[in-house]
Amino acid sequence: QVQLQESGPGLVKPSQTLSLTCTVSGGSISSDDFYWSWIRQPAGKGLEWIGRIYIRGGTHYNPSLKSRVTISVDTAKNQFSLKLTSVTAADTAVYYCATAPRGIASPFDYWGQGTLVTVSS
Amino acid sequence: DIQMTQSPSSLSASVGDRVTITCRASQTISNYLHWYHQKPGKAPKLLIYAASSLQSGVPSRFSGSGSGTDFTLTISNLQPEDFATYYCQQTYSTPLAFGGGTKVEI
Repeated sequence: QVQLQESGPGLVKPSQTLSLTCTVSGGSISSDDFYWSWIRQPAGKGLEWIGRIYIRGGTHYNPSLKSRVTISVDTAKNQFSLKLTSVTAADTAVYYCATAPRGIASPFDYWGQGTLVTVSS
Repeated sequence: DIQMTQSPSSLSASVGDRVTITCRASQTISNYLHWYHQKPGKAPKLLIYAASSLQSGVPSRFSGSGSGTDFTLTISNLQPEDFATYYCQQTYSTPLAFGGGTKVEI
C-alpha cells in the first residue's frame, strides 16, 4: 500500500518561497503509471488542486497558480516536491500530496496526512 | 476551466436518514466524477469513483449516480461516522477541480 508523507517548514515569510516535499513509500515514484499531485485547503475552506507531475517529466499546473508553482521529482529519494514563490497570507493552508493512477477516470486514491503552512512575518 | 457546484453546502440529518448530495459540472464531464468525504483534521478519503463505482472497503450504504453534468451521492441509513464534509471532483480535464463541499451535520 502506498503511503505519502509531507514535510517542510510550517512557517514562511511573505514574499518568500514555500517548499514542501512528499516522501513516497510502498510504491515507486519512477513508475509511469501514476500522477503525483499537490492539493491545498485553507482553514475552513474547500480543496484546491495545485498541480501534478509524472515521471517522464510531464507537469500540469492550475492556471490560477501556474506562474508561481514548480513541481519536481527526485527519483533517488522517491520524493516529489512543491515550490510556490512570492507567497502571501492567501497561501496559508494545509498542503496535501496525493497520487492517482494515470488515466482520465482516476481519482486520488492515496493521500498524505497534510501539513499546515502559515505565511506570516 | 470546469467549475463544480455542490448543493446543499450543509445539511442536518439524523442517524438512519437517507441523504442526497448533488454536484453539477459547468460542462459535460462524462462519468469522470469522484466523491470523497473528509473528517476534521484528516485527509479526504475516496468513496466513489467514476460516478458510481464503490471504492474497495467503502460501505455499500454509499452510492453514486449521474453522467454528463449532473451527479448525485446518496448515503442510505446514515451512521454516526458519516458526519463529515463531502466533496465531488472532476478528472475530465485539467485543472482538476473539486466542488465546494457539503457538510453533513447532526
